[in-house]
Amino acid sequence: GAVVSQHPSWVICKSGTSVKIECRSLDFQATTMFWYRQFPKQSLMLMATSNEGSKATYEQGVEKDKFLINHASLTLSTLTVTSAHPEDSSFYICSARDTGTSGPRGQFFGPGTRLTVL
Amino acid sequence: AQSVTQLDSHVSVSEGTPVLLRCNYSSSYSPSLFWYVQHPNKGLQLLLKYTSAATLVKGINGFEAEFKKSETSFHLTKPSAHMSDAAEYFCVVSITNSGNTPLVFGKGTRLSVIA
Repeated sequence: GAVVSQHPSWVICKSGTSVKIECRSLDFQATTMFWYRQFPKQSLMLMATSNEGSKATYEQGVEKDKFLINHASLTLSTLTVTSAHPEDSSFYICSARDTGTSGPRGQFFGPGTRLTVL
Repeated sequence: AQSVTQLDSHVSVSEGTPVLLRCNYSSSYSPSLFWYVQHPNKGLQLLLKYTSAATLVKGINGFEAEFKKSETSFHLTKPSAHMSDAAEYFCVVSITNSGNTPLVFGKGTRLSVIA
C-alpha cells in the first residue's frame, strides 16, 4: 500500500512551452501533497504545499505564476511549469500525506519526474 | 525551526566494512526523523523512521539508526557495506508532528563503496 505515482517519469521540452506533471496517490486519499525540486547532486527543496480544494502555499522565492499547482481531487495534484526555460530543468518530486494516517510517518514520495528544457 | 545537519558530504568505505553516516538535528520538540536513500536517477526510498517509539530503529537492507536525544543525533549505521549500498543518503526531519507539514531534508551524504 501507500503508493504514489508521478507522470511522466521524464520529459524533454522546448524552451517556452509548458509542461504538466501529475502526482497521484494510488491507494489512499491525500488532502495534502508537497512538491519538491532537486538540482543535480543537491538536496530536495520544498517548492509548495498543495491542499485539496484550495490554493497552494508557495515557499519564498518560488514563482506561483510559473509553477501552477492544482489539487482538484483527493488523489491528484498537478504541477505545471509554464513557459519553461533551461534553468527549470530539474528533478521534481512530489509527496502525498495519507489522510488516514496520523503524524509525519504518513507521507509517501513519488518516484520523481526529470524535466529537461532545451 | 527544525533542521538537520549531515556532517559528511561524502563517505567512502570498502565493501564488507561498517558504514556510519552522521546526522544531527535541531528541534524544539521531540522530532520525527527519517533516513531516505536515493540511487542515481531514481526516486527516494525510505530506509527507516523514528517517531518517538524505540530509540534504536531497524530499517531495510540491514541499516539501523539510533536516536540520541542528549547528543541530538540520529546516525545511520550498517555493519557491513555492500556494493549496492552506493547511493545518496538523506537525513530528514518533520517540521511538526501533525504530518500536514513538509519534511525538511539534509544536504545529503554520498556513500561510495570500494570493492
